Amino acid sequence: KAGVTQTPRYLIKTRGQQVTLSCSPISGHRSVSWYQQTPGQGLQFLFEYFSETQRNKGNFPGRFSGRQFSNSRSEMNVSTLELGDSALYLCASSLEREQYFGPGTRLTVT
Amino acid sequence: GESVGLHLPTLSVQEGDNSIINCAYSNSASDYFIWYKQESGKGPQFIIDIRSNMDKRQGQRVTVLLNKTVKHLSLQIAATQPGDSAVYFCAEMGGGSYIPTFGRGTSLIVHP
Repeated sequence: KAGVTQTPRYLIKTRGQQVTLSCSPISGHRSVSWYQQTPGQGLQFLFEYFSETQRNKGNFPGRFSGRQFSNSRSEMNVSTLELGDSALYLCASSLEREQYFGPGTRLTVT
Repeated sequence: GESVGLHLPTLSVQEGDNSIINCAYSNSASDYFIWYKQESGKGPQFIIDIRSNMDKRQGQRVTVLLNKTVKHLSLQIAATQPGDSAVYFCAEMGGGSYIPTFGRGTSLIVHP
C-alpha cells in the first residue's frame, strides 16, 4: 500500500498570507489527524477528521482549520499567517489507534 | 527520557551496543503506547506498540517494556546501527482516545 502523502513538501509564505496543505491518507484509512511540529513545542495535535467530520480538536486558534473529503483526503488551512506558524506540519492516517505519518510540509513564514 | 526546556535529551552509543531510550508518561488511564522514530527531514515512523495489559513486547531488534506502576516506558534497541540514528518519540493514548499525546523525544546518535 502507498503511504501517507503530503503536498507540497516545502512552502515559503509571507506574514498575513494564507496557506492550504493537502494530505492523502493510506487507502482504507478514514481518520486523518494533523500535527504541528516545532523545536520548541514538539508535536502538537491540531485536529482529527473522521468520515468528513471533525472528531477532535487541539488547542489552536481559529486561524487553523481543516476539512476532509469523501475520499478521506484532507486539507488544512492557516489564515493570516504569523512568523510563529513556521513549522513542520504532519498528517497522520489511521484505521484504528495506530497512526501512520506522512513526510510533512515544511512551512516557513517570513 | 523526557526533555527539559527546548533541548532534547541525547543518547550517544557505539555501533553494535544496545541502546535503551526511556519515556515517562503522565496519564495513569493511558492504555496504549507507541514508539516512533523520526529521521531528519522525515515524518515519524511507527516502530512498535504495546497495550497496557502487557509489560513487554518484542519486535525485530527492538523491545518495549512497560511499567505501569511508575508510568514508565522504555525502548531497547539491540545491536544499534548507524541507521538507527534519529529522534525517538513515545506516545500514549488513554480511555479509547484515538489522539496520542507525544513525549518530547530523545535523540539517538550512533557512532560507527
